[in-house]
Amino acid sequence: TQLLEQSPQFLSIQEGENLTVYCNSSSVFSSLQWYRQEPGEGPVLLVTVVTGGEVKKLKRLTFQFGDARKDSSLHITAAQPGDTGLYLCAGALLSGSARQLTFGSGTQLTVLP
Amino acid sequence: DTAVSQTPKYLVTQMGNDKSIKCEQNLGHDTMYWYKQDSKKFLKIMFSYNNKELIINETVPNRFSPKSPDKAHLNLHINSLELGDSAVYFCASSQYWPHTGELFFGEGSRLTVL
Repeated sequence: TQLLEQSPQFLSIQEGENLTVYCNSSSVFSSLQWYRQEPGEGPVLLVTVVTGGEVKKLKRLTFQFGDARKDSSLHITAAQPGDTGLYLCAGALLSGSARQLTFGSGTQLTVLP
Repeated sequence: DTAVSQTPKYLVTQMGNDKSIKCEQNLGHDTMYWYKQDSKKFLKIMFSYNNKELIINETVPNRFSPKSPDKAHLNLHINSLELGDSAVYFCASSQYWPHTGELFFGEGSRLTVL
C-alpha cells in the first residue's frame, strides 16, 4: 500500500480536452508538490502548495490542495501534446524528524494531436 | 551547465557484478539523495545525505553503499548485482534539510542486470 495514491494511472486524451488528476492519502502533509517527468529525464517541479484549500495556477494547469491537506488535484485545460508526460505528486509529511518527500504512484498522460 | 549530473546514463551488466553510479551537483545544495524508479515508475527514496552525513537510509539491501566525499558529490556503489536491481536510479539535491523545497533531479541512470 502506497502512502500517496494517484488516479488515474494512465490517461490518453485528444488535444483540446480537459482532464483532472487526483492525488489522495490518509496522511496529512505539510506541503505537496507536483512534478512532471518526460522520457529519459528526471522529474521537474511544477508547483508547491502549502496551505489547505490553496489553489495555484500555472498557465493552463490548476493545482489545488485539499482543505485537510490530505489530497490534491491537478486540472489541465485544453491539453496539448506538449503536456504529455508522467505526473507525480509528492508530499512532505507533517510530523517526524526525518522529514522527506514521498512520491505518489504517478499518472502517465498522453495527449494525442 | 547541468545542475545535477550523474554518470553513466546506461549500465548493462551481468548478475553478480559490482557497479558504481556517480552524481555531482553544482547548485551549492546541502542535501543529496538517491531514488530508485521501478518499472511501474514508482519513485522510492533510498538514501539521503546532508552535508556529507547520512540522514536517511531506507530499507535497502546492504549491497548498496552510498558515499559522499563532499557535499557536492554522492556516489552509489552496488555489490553482487541481482536481477531485481534493474531500475532507473535518480540522484537529486535540495537546498535545505529537513526538506521542504524543490528537489532537483539528474537525468537518471538506467541499470539493466542480465
